[in-house]
Amino acid sequence: NAGVMQNPRHLVRRRGQEARLRCSPMKGHSHVYWYRQLPEEGLKFMVYLQKENIIDESGMPKERFSAEFPKEGPSILRIQQVVRGDSAAYFCASSPGTSGSLSEQFFGPGTRLTVL
Amino acid sequence: KNEVEQSPQNLTAQEGEFITINCSYSVGISALHWLQQHPGGGIVSLFMLSSGKKKHGRLIATINIQEKHSSLHITASHPRDSAVYICAVSSTANNNDMRFGAGTRLTVKP
Repeated sequence: NAGVMQNPRHLVRRRGQEARLRCSPMKGHSHVYWYRQLPEEGLKFMVYLQKENIIDESGMPKERFSAEFPKEGPSILRIQQVVRGDSAAYFCASSPGTSGSLSEQFFGPGTRLTVL
Repeated sequence: KNEVEQSPQNLTAQEGEFITINCSYSVGISALHWLQQHPGGGIVSLFMLSSGKKKHGRLIATINIQEKHSSLHITASHPRDSAVYICAVSSTANNNDMRFGAGTRLTVKP
């Protein structure tokens, strides 16, 4: 049973480009969470999705960021017109249930985004 | 001031030493979590606490709800325990709204 997969592991973009980060949850998991870890800072919750639904996006910046989790395929976190401040590690976690508890969440290895 | 504060930020210990990492929080919580982040970036959940104490192998986590404080202890520390340990709380207002501490970087030397 493969764990949570994220790709790419490292992504380099120039200012103004788009970044697409992918997360494939563990088999049987239908809940996905995205977190951002800025350099020298703690993790911050961004968004919680179920298949085809955004449940909670209270941690997502209002502009340039969007997330989806289609019926088929991975969850995508999209950042449009990236700026240097978007450079961070982006972690995805998946869970089987609706409790929202971190103890039920399995984390992926993260995508490290660098904006030049 | 962050809602979740951890201390120390960095900790270096000799193999075999007893380790304590502290976490204080200022919001109402439904649960407190301890996570471990390995040097490669992988994150695993160690404990979820809402009261009292939990033990798993050489790891012990305690929480004092009245004092809004939790500690993570590692007994007989080993170099493989070297990692960043993160305290996180689930807000009572929104279970999905996790607040994370900045982490404690532990290095255990052989």
